[in-house]
Amino acid sequence: QQQVKQSPQSLIVQKGGISIINCAYENTAFDYFPWYQQFPGKGPALLIAIRPDVSEKKEGRFTISFNKSAKQFSLHIMDSQPGDSATYFCAASPTGGFKTIFGAGTRLFVKA
Amino acid sequence: DTAVSQTPKYLVTQMGNDKSIKCEQNLGHDTMYWYKQDSKKFLKIMFSYNNKELIINETVPNRFSPKSPDKAHLNLHINSLELGDSAVYFCASSNDRDFTYEQYFGPGTRLTVT
Repeated sequence: QQQVKQSPQSLIVQKGGISIINCAYENTAFDYFPWYQQFPGKGPALLIAIRPDVSEKKEGRFTISFNKSAKQFSLHIMDSQPGDSATYFCAASPTGGFKTIFGAGTRLFVKA
Repeated sequence: DTAVSQTPKYLVTQMGNDKSIKCEQNLGHDTMYWYKQDSKKFLKIMFSYNNKELIINETVPNRFSPKSPDKAHLNLHINSLELGDSAVYFCASSNDRDFTYEQYFGPGTRLTVT
C-alpha cells in the first residue's frame, strides 16, 4: 500500500517531442503528489506538484495530469529540450505525514 | 546561500570503519531527513527528525545512528561499514507549515566502501 509505481524506467525523446512519465499509487491517504527532477551529481529538486482536488496543473512546459479514480498521475514535458535530460521521480505524501514515498525514477534523455 | 549542505561530498573508506556525514539547513525548517540512493537511483527514506525528535525510523541496520543536536542539523553516523553501504546519501529538510512536506535536498555524499 505504500508503493508508488513509476514507468518507464528510461525514456529517449527527440528534441521538441513530448515526454510522458506515468505513476500509480494504492494508498488513498496520499494527498500531495510532487515530481522531482535530479541532474547527475545533484540532489533532487521539486519540479511541480499537485493535490487530488484538481485534475491538471501546468507550469510552463511541464504538466501534471491526475486521475483520482484510477489512482494514477503523469508528467508531460512539452517541447522537450536536451537540458531536460535528467532523472525524474514521482512521489506521494499522506495527509499530515512526513513520509514521502518516491517512485523508482525515470531516466530521460532528450536527443538534440 | 546554500539551503541544505552536507559534508563531505565524497567519502571513501574501508570495510569495518566508522564514519559520519554532517548535514545543516538554513531554511528554518522543522523536519530533516536522511535518504539513501542506490546505484539504480532508487531513493529510500532512512530517518526523519521533527524538532530534534525522531519520527521516522525505517528498517535500517542498527549500525546507522542519526543525531540531531538542534533543528538545523542532522548528522548520520555509520559503524562497521559494509560493502553494501556504498551509495549516495542525501540529507533533506521540509517546510511543514504548508502541509506539502516539499523536500529540499542537499547535494549528496557519495560513500564508497572498499
